[in-house]
Amino acid sequence: AQKVTQAQTEISVVEKEDVTLDCVYETRDTTYYLFWYKQPPSGELVFLIRRNSFDEQNEISGRYSWNFQKSTSSFNFTITASQVVDSAVYFCALSEALTGANSKLTFGKGITLSVRP
Amino acid sequence: GAVVSQHPSRVICKSGTSVKIECRSLDFQATTMFWYRQFPKKSLMLMATSNEGSKATYEQGVEKDKFLINHASLTLSTLTVTSAHPEDSSFYICSARDSLGTVNTEAFFGQGTRLTVV
Repeated sequence: AQKVTQAQTEISVVEKEDVTLDCVYETRDTTYYLFWYKQPPSGELVFLIRRNSFDEQNEISGRYSWNFQKSTSSFNFTITASQVVDSAVYFCALSEALTGANSKLTFGKGITLSVRP
Repeated sequence: GAVVSQHPSRVICKSGTSVKIECRSLDFQATTMFWYRQFPKKSLMLMATSNEGSKATYEQGVEKDKFLINHASLTLSTLTVTSAHPEDSSFYICSARDSLGTVNTEAFFGQGTRLTVV
């Protein structure tokens, strides 16, 4: 069975601070995919990144960066120089495939990030 | 980019009535769509996998007679909450991935439907 753990539930930072959101996963599959989504107060889910299990390179996209550590089954997300607009709930998710029924996502419980001005 | 449109975004209904939620892939075909439910300040829980032209696959604990799913075409899946009760009040979100696209396409989510049963 797959499981995604986001141990942090709520994080509050002051604007311009860096913040790291943790994600630990469990799966028996050798091939799997990890995701991060952002859910602003409006409710829609915004795709941020997908990473497959064979690609352990860290990725940077603007102020966002992701650290995939297969050895510790973690896929952490860092926001550098946070902004008020980053305030949202962030979900880490896992799937065992990208197509068909097995592409369903298992979500963590989400982390509510509040960035104060 | 690919878009999934979900309608309505918000609905209030009386107990005992049924509500239909539509999920459309606007510029791609999706043989598989997923329906998730999210309680306030909670995670998204998969309810069912919607398969075009066949019966949906429901997750354990989800009543298939209460949450009717129809996936009649490659671009439309519907979720009908039958005989709704206040405990069905929740945020329902669908997702779809391009069936004909590359393996690397991500799943797109609808905007979600906030259902309130009074």
